[in-house]
Amino acid sequence: DGGITQSPKYLFRKEGQNVTLSCEQNLNHDAMYWYRQDPGQGLRLIYYSQIVNDFQKGDIAEGYSVSREKKESFPLTVTSAQKNPTAFYLCASSIQGFNYGYTFGSGTRLTVV
Amino acid sequence: QKEVEQDPGPLSVPEGAIVSLNCTYSNSAFQYFMWYRQYSRKGPELLMYTYSSGNKEDGRFTAQVDKSSKYISLFIRDSQPSDSATYLCAMVKNNNDMRFGAGTRLTVKP
Repeated sequence: DGGITQSPKYLFRKEGQNVTLSCEQNLNHDAMYWYRQDPGQGLRLIYYSQIVNDFQKGDIAEGYSVSREKKESFPLTVTSAQKNPTAFYLCASSIQGFNYGYTFGSGTRLTVV
Repeated sequence: QKEVEQDPGPLSVPEGAIVSLNCTYSNSAFQYFMWYRQYSRKGPELLMYTYSSGNKEDGRFTAQVDKSSKYISLFIRDSQPSDSATYLCAMVKNNNDMRFGAGTRLTVKP
């Protein structure tokens, strides 16, 4: 089955630690996205990538980094510079230039301990 | 002011009720409108997609767009407990510039 796989489902981070969230898709989609979801705030765009080896900052990129070395993969690193990282993180993909919506993964819940 | 406004609820209705979910937006550049359904601890799934003003029906779901009023709605007929979820409106200004509402949490009680 085609889809997006996010791992891990739950992740715990200590203060000052970097962590990486995985996102893999087998839909042959060109564009991939990372969103952060907090209660009552909807989805906020962190980073997006429309082609391999290229990515753009979204609305809340500070404290995050990404890479896009392969079409199928778009990992997100939450760095120690992100002061409030506890949230639900969602990865999505779409056909480039396609306005019919995104396919989302099942999300990663990150908690700072 | 947020570009997309959506009442977060929560909204609780009895089984069989008609549910009305709404979003307003401020930027007339939005051209494509979507509704996503998100179950607890899951990713959103695309429920309905519309482009022009008017109604679009799919089974028990009807999506309505009024571009003159900058207002979109999702109606659920004969609501079921399995419809209990958070419903997110989303809209696109240009290619892949998608903005989401905050989501409305709906509970349908048996």
